[in-house]
Amino acid sequence: DTGVSQNPRHKITKRGQNVTFRCDPISEHNRLYWYRQTLGQGPEFLTYFQNEAQLEKSRLLSDRFSAERPKGSFSTLEIQRTEQGDSAMYLCASSLGWGATDTQYFGPGTRLTVL
Amino acid sequence: AQTVTQSQPEMSVQEAETVTLSCTYDTSESDYYLFWYKQPPSRQMILVIRQEAYKQQNATENRFSVNFQKAAKSFSLKISDSQLGDAAMYFCAYRSAETSGTYKYIFGTGTRLKVLA
Repeated sequence: DTGVSQNPRHKITKRGQNVTFRCDPISEHNRLYWYRQTLGQGPEFLTYFQNEAQLEKSRLLSDRFSAERPKGSFSTLEIQRTEQGDSAMYLCASSLGWGATDTQYFGPGTRLTVL
Repeated sequence: AQTVTQSQPEMSVQEAETVTLSCTYDTSESDYYLFWYKQPPSRQMILVIRQEAYKQQNATENRFSVNFQKAAKSFSLKISDSQLGDAAMYFCAYRSAETSGTYKYIFGTGTRLKVLA
């Protein structure tokens, strides 16, 4: 399967703990996006990479959140000192294209539950 | 800032019938892209259809078509000959053109479509 993969699929943690999620995009895709989706809402943009460069980060994103994409391949999203409000589905998407041809392919997501 | 609004939290359609999902957006930009994404239950989100704002012709993909009204900032999705597999959450999304300097997609809150056999 050459689609976007995310690990883990589920994560339960206690408040105050750090968590890290991984996203493996489709291999030739140079763009990678992270989103957060809560129940009843659409995906909310968190950050965007083009190759290894983090080009955009949501102003809503707390300093507790950090993302990396070393060597322009897989990406990690880390949340430090988790809070109950961080409970959500974290989606990763990758794409290769420009403008209207920039089709995002989404991963299955990582569901985070903070107790 | 751009916003996307989907005012129908849930819609139902009889199998083989036609349904239209509504989406409105707000922007001051003249060049942008609009998308409809489908998220089946417990499955990954996939692109249904896209529209470039500079194109007057409405996009069509098999049973899916859009009604793009740029002046009204409206972008509705029409699903013809509805099938059971169309049941899903549908999200409308907006993306600025590359010249804007931003790459993010803005999604609406979604419309849950139920297809009745």
